[in-house]
This record gives sequence, structure tokens and C-alpha cells, in this order.
Amino acid sequence: SYVLTQPPSLSVAPGKTAIIACGGNNIGGKSVHWYQQRPGQAPVLVIYSDTDRPSGIPERFSGSNSGNTATLTISRVEAGDEADYYCQVWNSRSDPSCVFGPGTQVTVL
Amino acid sequence: EVQLVESGGGLVQPGGSLRLSCAASGFTFSSYSMNWVRQAPGKGLEWVSYISSSSFTISYTDSVKGRFTISRDNAKKSLDLQMNSLRDEDTAVYYCARVFFSGAPLYFDYWGQGILVTVSS
Repeated sequence: SYVLTQPPSLSVAPGKTAIIACGGNNIGGKSVHWYQQRPGQAPVLVIYSDTDRPSGIPERFSGSNSGNTATLTISRVEAGDEADYYCQVWNSRSDPSCVFGPGTQVTVL
Repeated sequence: EVQLVESGGGLVQPGGSLRLSCAASGFTFSSYSMNWVRQAPGKGLEWVSYISSSSFTISYTDSVKGRFTISRDNAKKSLDLQMNSLRDEDTAVYYCARVFFSGAPLYFDYWGQGILVTVSS
């Protein structure tokens, strides 16, 4: 089965940039999506199809995907960005199987 | 406004059964594939099951195959998850989630608020 890796945690100062990596075998050939989950809340989509931002998500959130690593970048980090972030892909068209990364807890110092 | 509201959670003994439901509103339910995603306490997200808009394609994560059954009623705009032979490790918050589909399932664009299932004696 397909496995995604993420760093367990990341600390960043306000105003700085957070870069969260999502690793997977040839993940550049897949469409990667990112979710933000604050404590006690349902996940929220922040980046879809590698680089696209849903309406209502600040431009500070951006994504990229190439080779074996996809990344979520949060620029000018704010206190409200403190949350868990998960990457996600689908593994098969004929027998759909979804995979989430283990999640990265982002702490704003 | 898209809304997904789960119900049916609670406490059940190991080996028992529970049926979760998700009531959908604010969109054409019959046009969308749907999923169940769960999150054990203090853990990450885990995809559980997928059902296509017409119920033609259904899939499950390996750990629930043969125990869980996903179904939908497009006329009633509802999604169900029948969970049998429940185990301690099935304890989690279960989310109903709509998936955007374009040639293949892509991203979960709407989520319910989640419902807690606790398996314990």
C-alpha cells in the first residue's frame, strides 16, 4: 500500500514561513491535497490538486508537488495557523483507496 | 449551504454493532461520491470507506473489510455505515465527507462535524 510521510511537528515564529513536507514514492505523479485541522474541529481543505486554493483560504497558503515530495507553504504565519496539517492522495482509480499522511502539528511560537 | 450531519454514534461493547448515518443537504446528493473518514483519539485521519454516486463502486480500508458496509439512499439524501464485529481499535470520531470527483476521486471538500464511536466493555 502507498505510504505518505510527514514530520510530526514544526515550530515557527509569527511572520515567518512554515514549510511542511509530504513524502511518497513518485508523489509528483499524484494529485496531492492538504487539510488543516484545529483541535476539536473537522478538517478544512486548504490546498487541492497540488497548488490550488479553495475560496476563502488566504493567499498565504500555497502548495507544490514534484518528484518524491509535496510541500505546503504557509507564509507570514499567524497565531490562527496553529493546527494539524494532513496531506492526502488517492492510490487507485479502479479500486479507490485514499491515503492520509500522519499529520504535522504546527506550533506558532 | 452544504451540510453533512452525522448521527448514530455512541458506546458499544466489543463484538457489537452500530449504524452511523449522515444526512446531506444543500447540494445534489446523487451527483457526488461520499466517504467515511475516522480519527482515533489523539491520532491522525484514517480513510474508512468510499461509495460512488450511483453505488456502483465501493471500497474499504483493509482493517474494516468484511465488518463494515457503506450504503446510500439518494432519494433520502443519506449515507450510512453499518459497523459489525466492532473492536477496541474502531474507537474514533467518524466523519462523513463529500469527495470532489473528476475522472477519479480527488479531494474532500465538505466534512460533517463528526460523531464519536466508543468500543469498550
